[in-house]
Amino acid sequence: NAGVTQTPKFRILKIGQSMTLQCAQDMNHNYMYWYRQDPGMGLKLIYYSVGAGITDKGEVPNGYNVSRSTTEDFPLRLELAAPSQTSVYFCASSLGGTVPGDEQFFGPGTRLTVL
Amino acid sequence: QKEVEQNSGPLSVPEGAIASLNCTYSDRGSQSFFWYRQYSGKSPELIMFIYSNGDKEDGRFTAQLNKASQYVSLLIRDSQPSDSATYLCAVSSGGSNYKLTFGKGTLLTVNP
Repeated sequence: NAGVTQTPKFRILKIGQSMTLQCAQDMNHNYMYWYRQDPGMGLKLIYYSVGAGITDKGEVPNGYNVSRSTTEDFPLRLELAAPSQTSVYFCASSLGGTVPGDEQFFGPGTRLTVL
Repeated sequence: QKEVEQNSGPLSVPEGAIASLNCTYSDRGSQSFFWYRQYSGKSPELIMFIYSNGDKEDGRFTAQLNKASQYVSLLIRDSQPSDSATYLCAVSSGGSNYKLTFGKGTLLTVNP
């Protein structure tokens, strides 16, 4: 299993450009998440999905959009990039459900710089 | 705003010592508590989770939870230089087991 994969690893955008960060998992997990991590900070939840066709906002959704058309893929769209979106973006997945201790597995991250 | 607080460190301990990492949280409805380890430039990986009051041990790691005090800790016994990393405390929020609020992390350095 590849686990959670993310592309690209690095990207530099100009202010106002748009891009899509790709995320895929092959563990048949129901739940998927997008986080951002700024230097010296913890992870902030941007969006999450509990299944194909279902998405919901996290703590910091402004400036981002997501879709979940399949169980495996959960792309994150940045529209009109701004310097405040410079960050490391992590995608994660988990089995989901009501059992405590639902482990989230993280992808390797995408380092995005907006200039 | 649900909050998770950690000392940012750095926490420096000699090899073989016990490292103690602490975390407090504000959401009394939180049900699950996680400790993730993150090496510099890498993604977080789960060390342990706990959801019942008391201690939970896994090898050199012990997680402790006190819901009345809204406090969770991680003890690392016989610390090794390979334990040097940032440790992130994560707490389930919003009445769910899966929506996590992360602390800023504590940087641990184990000196040979």
